[in-house]
Amino acid sequence: DQQVKQNSPSLSVQEGRISILNCDYTNSMFDYFLWYKKYPAEGPTFLISISSIKDKNEDGRFTVFLNKSAKHLSLHIVPSQPGDSAVYFCAASGVRNTDKLIFGTGTRLQVFP
Amino acid sequence: DADVTQTPRNRITKTGKRIMLECSQTKGHDRMYWYRQDPGLGLRLIYYSFDVKDINKGEISDGYSVSRQAQAKFSLSLESAIPNQTALYFCATQRGWGNYEQYFGPGTRLTVT
Repeated sequence: DQQVKQNSPSLSVQEGRISILNCDYTNSMFDYFLWYKKYPAEGPTFLISISSIKDKNEDGRFTVFLNKSAKHLSLHIVPSQPGDSAVYFCAASGVRNTDKLIFGTGTRLQVFP
Repeated sequence: DADVTQTPRNRITKTGKRIMLECSQTKGHDRMYWYRQDPGLGLRLIYYSFDVKDINKGEISDGYSVSRQAQAKFSLSLESAIPNQTALYFCATQRGWGNYEQYFGPGTRLTVT
C-alpha cells in the first residue's frame, strides 16, 4: 500500500517557466514532509521541507505548499533552469515518532531550453 | 571528502553468492539506514539502526541482514543473492530524534545474474 504517491512519473518544462511537482499521501498522522532531488549516479540530496503546522515554505526558487485537508503537497520551482533536471522524491514522516521517511516513487523533471 | 561513502559503487555477482555492501559516515550521526531503489518503486527501506545496539527491519528486509559495527559503519549483506535483488542500494544517515533530514551516500549498483 503506497502511502506517499507521486502520480506523474515525468514532467517536461521550458527553461524560465514554473515547474510544479505534486505528491499525495494517505496517512493523516504524517507531520513532516521533505523533497529530495536526485541526479544520475548520485544519492538523493535534501531540497526543502515543511512541517504540518505550516502551509508554505520558501527557499529561493523553491516553494513547497501543503494542503492538509486534501493530503496533498506540491513543489514549485520558479524559474526553472536546465540544472533542475533530475528526479524529485517527496517523503513523509512523523508516524508514531519513529522518524522513518516514507518515499514516493519519484517524478523525473526535464527542463529544456 | 564525502560525508557518507559506500563501497563498492558497482558490483556484479552470481545467484547464490554472499555479498556485503558497506557504508561509512563521518557526520557523527547516530541513525543509519539502508534503502533500495527500483524503477517505478521509489526508495524502500530495508533496515535501519538508531544506534550501535539497535537494529530494526524495514518494509523489505527478507533476504537481507545488517551489521552495525560502530557508530560510523553500517553494512548490508545478501546471504544468498537472487536476481530480483538487482537494484540501486543507498545508505543514509540522520542526526537523531526530531531531525528528519537524511543524508545519502552515492549508491551501489548491484546486479545479480
